[in-house]
Amino acid sequence: DIVMTQFPESLAVSLGERATINCKSSHSVLKSSNNKDYLAWYQQKPGQPPKLLIYWASTRDSGVPDRFSGSGSGTDFTLTIRSLQAEDVAVYYCLQHHSSLEWTFGQGTKVEIK
Amino acid sequence: QITLEESGPTLVKPTQTLTLTCSVSGLSLSTSGVGVGWIRQPPGKALEWLALIFWNDDKRYSPSLRTRLTITKDPSKSQVVLTMANVDPVDTATYYCATTVATNLPFDYWGQGTLVTVSS
Repeated sequence: DIVMTQFPESLAVSLGERATINCKSSHSVLKSSNNKDYLAWYQQKPGQPPKLLIYWASTRDSGVPDRFSGSGSGTDFTLTIRSLQAEDVAVYYCLQHHSSLEWTFGQGTKVEIK
Repeated sequence: QITLEESGPTLVKPTQTLTLTCSVSGLSLSTSGVGVGWIRQPPGKALEWLALIFWNDDKRYSPSLRTRLTITKDPSKSQVVLTMANVDPVDTATYYCATTVATNLPFDYWGQGTLVTVSS
């Protein structure tokens, strides 16, 4: 089984400040055939389904503001919100889709305003 | 425009089998690379990936739930069905279906989810 560990579980950030969320995989999610990390980030607001923000570890999905960025490779990844806005309050999840057997979500990180 | 809609019972008794249907529009389930998966979320808790089926009938299951889950598709109806056997109150959750349009991409389109309660 591939385990995805997110930290912190929650964080409170002032408006306009940076928020950083980490995700660590128990196995590498780097696909050697195309040199892409099969790691995605989602944002989920209350009562809504998750929304894709980042895929391949660092590629923003269409329409996602550029204050969201992803980095990392192999087993260690980071989602950064450069300047937190009120509408960014949500729970953020990482997802690995590298395994040919299973996909796995992290346990989520709740982002609040300080 | 790709849309997904989950349907199924809102209340199921313990030990029964839960059957959920995902109806997909704007996308053919026979198109190369297309996959449809199921994800659940107990109230106030994290997302849990359950199962995934690709256009070529390749199927994948959560290791912890593999013995209880079956995923199938009917491209002619644009539907994907998930059955979960022997449900328990801990299976109470919002169940989402979601799609990926390529084998190297994650879920990009999601349904709104359907809340299933397991209770006698």
